[in-house]
Amino acid sequence: GAVVSQHPSRVICKSGTSVKIECRSLDFQATTMFWYRQFPKKSLMLMATSNEGSKATYEQGVEKDKFLINHASLTLSTLTVTSAHPEDSSFYICSARLAGPGSTDTQYFGPGTRLTVL
Amino acid sequence: TQLLEQSPQFLSIQEGENLTVYCNSSSVFSSLQWYRQEPGEGPVLLVTVVTGGEVKKLKRLTFQFGDARKDSSLHITAAQPGDTGLYLCAGFGNDYKLSFGAGTTVTVRA
Repeated sequence: GAVVSQHPSRVICKSGTSVKIECRSLDFQATTMFWYRQFPKKSLMLMATSNEGSKATYEQGVEKDKFLINHASLTLSTLTVTSAHPEDSSFYICSARLAGPGSTDTQYFGPGTRLTVL
Repeated sequence: TQLLEQSPQFLSIQEGENLTVYCNSSSVFSSLQWYRQEPGEGPVLLVTVVTGGEVKKLKRLTFQFGDARKDSSLHITAAQPGDTGLYLCAGFGNDYKLSFGAGTTVTVRA
């Protein structure tokens, strides 16, 4: 299957600082990438849809000024958690959509980034 | 957002037993995907089903998509400890977003 990488895999930061997470599709171009947040033993919660060359669309309840998303190229999207607080500590996962014929679009996920805010 | 109900939430079985995980919705999905996730890692795609009534087999895993494309099931035959993980179903709805079920935590005891 297609490969999506994420960097860093783990990050610890102090409260009030900003953290940038990168998501790359390694062997395909993705006009659409997605950012999810996952709490322990829970399913994935969609935060926002990242569109190459245009603004991201955020899900209800997700602060766009806090979670800045940039989709600078067809293979790279970044999520910046600004002014991080301990409650932002979570597992953040990105995914990239690979378009297929008919209704066969598939989303491939990165390995996730564990963010801990002290 | 179209909701997917996944059941059971937890499943603990002995090695060699069979198990089935269900994914149901009142909405129609253009396609449905099954993922397996291990702790601290991202979900790994197992299969995509597209056609109503479709059955796909992946070694000891059998995936079925309902005729009306509203439900799906994952059946594992002769489960092994390596099958342990969080199984997630997800479907593309008419909003072009992937909606996830709540997940099923499967534990296979040796």
